[in-house]
Amino acid sequence: EMQLVESGGGLVNPGGSLRLSCAASGFTFTDSWMAWVRQTPGKGLEWLSRIQSKTAGGTTYYAAPVKDRFTISRDDSKDTLYLQMNGLTTEDTAVYYCTRDLMKWGRGTLVTVSS
Amino acid sequence: QAVVTQEPSLTVSPGGTVTLTCASSTGAVTSGHDPNWFQHKPGQPPRALIYNTNNKHSWTPARFSGSLLGDKAALTLSGVQPEDEAEYYCLLYYGAAGVFGGGTKLTVL
Repeated sequence: EMQLVESGGGLVNPGGSLRLSCAASGFTFTDSWMAWVRQTPGKGLEWLSRIQSKTAGGTTYYAAPVKDRFTISRDDSKDTLYLQMNGLTTEDTAVYYCTRDLMKWGRGTLVTVSS
Repeated sequence: QAVVTQEPSLTVSPGGTVTLTCASSTGAVTSGHDPNWFQHKPGQPPRALIYNTNNKHSWTPARFSGSLLGDKAALTLSGVQPEDEAEYYCLLYYGAAGVFGGGTKLTVL
């Protein structure tokens, strides 16, 4: 069964950093394009970032609001996707979802940015 | 960044038909935007319904269909069921970056 399990969320001070992980299983991670999406409290979904499979070139793409602060990466040897988040603000408080190119979704991990 | 607009809310009776739309601030929505549709219920992760304008995933109920309607993308539910009550989001791609619409809260009443 295809599974995506996010981890690494939690409480962080404004200006701080956090790295989210997403452990994948049940499918060929190496061949998959992966993405991160978040949902802020009381608001809708926000597309954040996408990474190609290495065989497709491994190119990364970002939404404008996070382009200079967030970094998506992958470790195919560990079937794991990452999202490094720097310069966090209260606006980044959200549930962060890992997705297999928006088809299969994890259950999300909560990030709270607060002092 | 482009803005994607959806109806904030719609109400439909059980067994009825409803169409949700998705507009782009940059102009007409085309298949080149690779319109996707998602269903999101509280406490659950979003579920993909439609990709590439009108393609269904293997798990997508037959009553859901996607299309282009005028200058917008559209999601039509025919024979609405009570369990279809949810938030629905469209996503459009601008190049390789995606932008979600604000979502449509569908009430089945």
